[in-house]
Amino acid sequence: DVKVTQSSRYLVKRTGEKVFLECVQDMDHENMFWYRQDPGLGLRLIYFSYDVKMKEKGDIPEGYSVSREKKERFSLILESASTNQTSMYLCASTRGPNYEQYFGPGTRLTVT
Amino acid sequence: EDQVTQSPEALRLQEGESSSLNCSYTVSGLRGLFWYRQDPGKGPEFLFTLYSAGEEKEKERLKATLTKKESFLHITAPKPEDSATYLCAVQAAAAGNKLTFGGGTRVLVKP
Repeated sequence: DVKVTQSSRYLVKRTGEKVFLECVQDMDHENMFWYRQDPGLGLRLIYFSYDVKMKEKGDIPEGYSVSREKKERFSLILESASTNQTSMYLCASTRGPNYEQYFGPGTRLTVT
Repeated sequence: EDQVTQSPEALRLQEGESSSLNCSYTVSGLRGLFWYRQDPGKGPEFLFTLYSAGEEKEKERLKATLTKKESFLHITAPKPEDSATYLCAVQAAAAGNKLTFGGGTRVLVKP
């Protein structure tokens, strides 16, 4: 059974804090993704990674960075959290093109 | 630019009342179309992948179909447990692994 896990289900941070969101997959997938989901805006891609130490910007990378030091782990970093980064963050992984993405349970981040 | 539009935005059904959800897409070379189910506060759960026009996939009360411009998700005799948001996403041939998602259809099935 495939599994993608995220480090926290709910997180509350203050403006200006550095925030780490972690994602781990146990399917040996090379490709991993970070999305945010907001009402009325749907799922939007922040960053993705094709391989260890590789990263590519998605559609909304501003204010975020990522790290992929191990194949199974993909981290999203908010260098200085702002209130407009309050959102649901979803991690996903896939075997490759043509294959479905598997999603984690999500992290609901609130920045106050 | 790849675009995905889902309709309706919301759908209220009585238990047993069959209906269809629409996913219209514009993409340069479709590699695949994906359907997901998402329960409130959870991550999307994969349902189906369709690769070419005319293809159909079924799972329990759900059936997905694909044409060159749109996909339908048919829900036959729905039950309250089918209540969820259904998301459609396309993968373009030139987009690598990237998916473009529609806004989703919220389905509520009342007993």
